Amino acid sequence: AQSVTQLGSHVSVSEGALVLLRCNYSSSVPPYLFWYVQYPNQGLQLLLKYTTGATLVKGINGFEAEFKKSETSFHLTKPSAHMSDAAEYFCAVIQPRNKLTFGTGTQLKVEL
Amino acid sequence: EAGVTQFPSHSVIEKGQTVTLRCDPISGHDNLYWYRRVMGKEIKFLLHFVKESKQDESGMPNNRFLAERTGGTYSTLKVQPAELEDSGVYFCASSQDFWGGRGFSFGQGTRLTVV
Repeated sequence: AQSVTQLGSHVSVSEGALVLLRCNYSSSVPPYLFWYVQYPNQGLQLLLKYTTGATLVKGINGFEAEFKKSETSFHLTKPSAHMSDAAEYFCAVIQPRNKLTFGTGTQLKVEL
Repeated sequence: EAGVTQFPSHSVIEKGQTVTLRCDPISGHDNLYWYRRVMGKEIKFLLHFVKESKQDESGMPNNRFLAERTGGTYSTLKVQPAELEDSGVYFCASSQDFWGGRGFSFGQGTRLTVV
């Protein structure tokens, strides 16, 4: 079985501050991991993904995530938040012969 | 390359009526998926097509939901008759490969409100 836990349904940061969105997963085999973002009134957009290889993955808009197998985590970070980063972020996992499973989402608010 | 397109973007219907949602995947993507997000909850899998065949429909809530993908191109999801608990955002996604190693491309979603 596979599952995803996103800690914090709402996260608020100041513009220019570090963004850290937490994601922990459970999977019986090495999974593929994804972060998606949904801006207001738009669809889900792929930020980044981990399949194999380098555990530090860089995505669009300055975001990156690190796959830590020992911690079963795939936290999303960005060094400096921008107002345009305000959106809802979803962590997702898939393992072979299974389906893409999402976390409950984290709403990111960026304040001046 | 055109992305995944969903129609309509919004739909408000009365309980007991029928609604049909449409999804046009990225051209050449054999894999098409339907997901649903009920307000405040996680995005949940409904079903997976490979070309015109249903690969996995384990997430379909009940027999009021019918998905089709005739010809292996666009897909429709019909809800008949609609109930209040069917309200939510319905997402469609497509991918080139079976496990989405290259990523799943999602549409903008259809927001369904049943009143």
